[in-house]
Amino acid sequence: NAGVMQNPRHLVRRRGQEARLRCSPMKGHSHVYWYRQLPEEGLKFMVYLQKENIIDESGMPKERFSAEFPKEGPSILRIQQVVRGDSAAYFCASSPTQTSYEQYFGPGTRLTVT
Amino acid sequence: AQTVTQSQPEMSVQEAETVTLSCTYDTSESDYYLFWYKQPPSRQMILVIRQEAYKQQNATENRFSVNFQKAAKSFSLKISDSQLGDAAMYFCAYRSRTGNQFYFGTGTSLTVIP
Repeated sequence: NAGVMQNPRHLVRRRGQEARLRCSPMKGHSHVYWYRQLPEEGLKFMVYLQKENIIDESGMPKERFSAEFPKEGPSILRIQQVVRGDSAAYFCASSPTQTSYEQYFGPGTRLTVT
Repeated sequence: AQTVTQSQPEMSVQEAETVTLSCTYDTSESDYYLFWYKQPPSRQMILVIRQEAYKQQNATENRFSVNFQKAAKSFSLKISDSQLGDAAMYFCAYRSRTGNQFYFGTGTSLTVIP
């Protein structure tokens, strides 16, 4: 049973470009969470999605960031017009239900903005 | 808002010895979960141990155990018989039973000295 998959593992973008980060949850999981880890910090919640719905985006910056979890395919975290401050590790986690106490984390995508 | 505090940015332990990592949290809720995650250099988040707040008994997983003091809002991790492979960042995390997100501390970097 494959775990949470994220790709790419490393992504380099120039300022002003777009970054697309993908997350495939564990088989049977329909709840996806995105977290951001800035250097020397813990993970910070960004957004929680179920299939085709954004449930909680309270941690998502209001501009340039968006997320989706379509009926088919992976969840996508999209960052438009990236800036140096977006450089971070972005982690995806999944759970089978909303009430599951545990979230299973992917290996993360390391975004570097040059 | 819930906050999780790890007051030890760095800790070290001799191989085979015991070390305790500290964590305190702030919440007004009575029903929640607490976790310790390990993050090795690969950056993969690995669940070490979890504790349900309604359980008075401290959780134990092999060489890892916790000291959960609900009234004091304290949740420390004890690693016994430390091994070189235990070297990593350790994050304490909180999740309410009804909430969607994890709240993470800033982490403790553990070094194991051969």
